[in-house]
Amino acid sequence: SQTIHQWPATLVQPVGSPLSLECTVEGTSNPNLYWYRQAAGRGLQLLFYSVGIGQISSEVPQNLSASRPQDRQFILSSKKLLLSDSGFYLCAWTRSGGVRPQHFGDGTRLSIL
Amino acid sequence: AQKITQTQPGMFVQEKEAVTLDCTYDTSDPSYGLFWYKQPSSGEMIFLIYQGSYDQQNATEGRYSLNFQKARKSANLVISASQLGDSAMYFCAFTTGGGNKLTFGTGTQLKVEL
Repeated sequence: SQTIHQWPATLVQPVGSPLSLECTVEGTSNPNLYWYRQAAGRGLQLLFYSVGIGQISSEVPQNLSASRPQDRQFILSSKKLLLSDSGFYLCAWTRSGGVRPQHFGDGTRLSIL
Repeated sequence: AQKITQTQPGMFVQEKEAVTLDCTYDTSDPSYGLFWYKQPSSGEMIFLIYQGSYDQQNATEGRYSLNFQKARKSANLVISASQLGDSAMYFCAFTTGGGNKLTFGTGTQLKVEL
């Protein structure tokens, strides 16, 4: 069966510090991968998605970036965090091809001080 | 442009009763998929049910069913025999393929009461 791992679960960072959140998927190959952000009490906003190694599409202009160095690894990064980057970050995967449900990791709660 | 709307910010239901959570969408693409997710207070997003635009029958998964009315562009979630553990935020989501990017509604907070 397929599993998705996301870490860390909780992170507190000062403004201006860098960020690296990691997500890995097991039990499948060539998945589509996604990063979402959820502000408190709000819905999910798609930040990035990837259909293959090195292929990243950005949905929202911001100071975040994403990379996919390996088939089942997806990384969300920032060089300098802003207060507005606080939120709940969720990674998700789906099988490629056709319309399929996305399956989510447990999320990272990011607080910027 | 694609749009998905959940008009109920909060709903209450008594245990063992059925409840309907509303979702409407707007797209000109004839091929699309509709999803419902549950988000408990712990934060994880749990996939509940899926309806494809070409599916002839309404989707069902255990106590969950999707009331799909294509002409009205609505995809309401029906939860039968509510349980206390159903208390959570529920999101409707929508994709027209193309990488399976999901657009989420704003969610409905459901509280199940004794």
